Amino acid sequence: DAGITQSPRYKITETGRQVTLMCHQTWSHSYMFWYRQDLGHGLRLIYYSAAADITDKGEVPDGYVVSRSKTENFPLTLESATRSQTSVYFCASSPGLAGDAQFFGPGTRLTVL
Amino acid sequence: AQKITQTQPGMFVQEKEAVTLDCTYDTSDQSYGLFWYKQPSSGEMIFLIYQGSYDEQNATEGRYSLNFQKARKSANLVISASQLGDSAMYFCAMREGADDKIIFGKGTRLHILP
Repeated sequence: DAGITQSPRYKITETGRQVTLMCHQTWSHSYMFWYRQDLGHGLRLIYYSAAADITDKGEVPDGYVVSRSKTENFPLTLESATRSQTSVYFCASSPGLAGDAQFFGPGTRLTVL
Repeated sequence: AQKITQTQPGMFVQEKEAVTLDCTYDTSDQSYGLFWYKQPSSGEMIFLIYQGSYDEQNATEGRYSLNFQKARKSANLVISASQLGDSAMYFCAMREGADDKIIFGKGTRLHILP
């Protein structure tokens, strides 16, 4: 019972490089979310998806791209990484009904040099 | 304006004492949901408890209870008989109406002292 997994768990990259963070869930949840967590800001929503091929912007979408061709996968791509994108990234999923909580992956710590 | 406010950036509590973590929220929707999550030092986000705006009873899950005061727009988390393992960051969160998104507060760091 893997639940929700993220890869890689740690990544160091350089400014200007493209980076893709992977998220995979085994629950067949409709909804998936990407957050970044930074000191002093809590969790901020980057993008989310209500179903395959449906995505929408969150609070801080600039510099990020998502896709959802399959229900179970929701990759997040930083097209040209910047130092300000150094953060811990969390993926989450939810069945989507009103009282449903979001369940989180273990996080990816990304450092952009 | 912030939708979720957690006024206590940090708290220190003696082991076995009860703890109340404050959370106030701002919404004009009649239908909404409130959540609490725990983030230990290992980093994972753990769902603790949920309260719906129409729920008349305060939610409880083991040692966790949610003190829901609708008129005051407050949803405080109460941890009874605190344990060392309760030391963590705690986040309050809200989903408004039919919105797909959950908005998180900035968190309270709880330290349980032996």
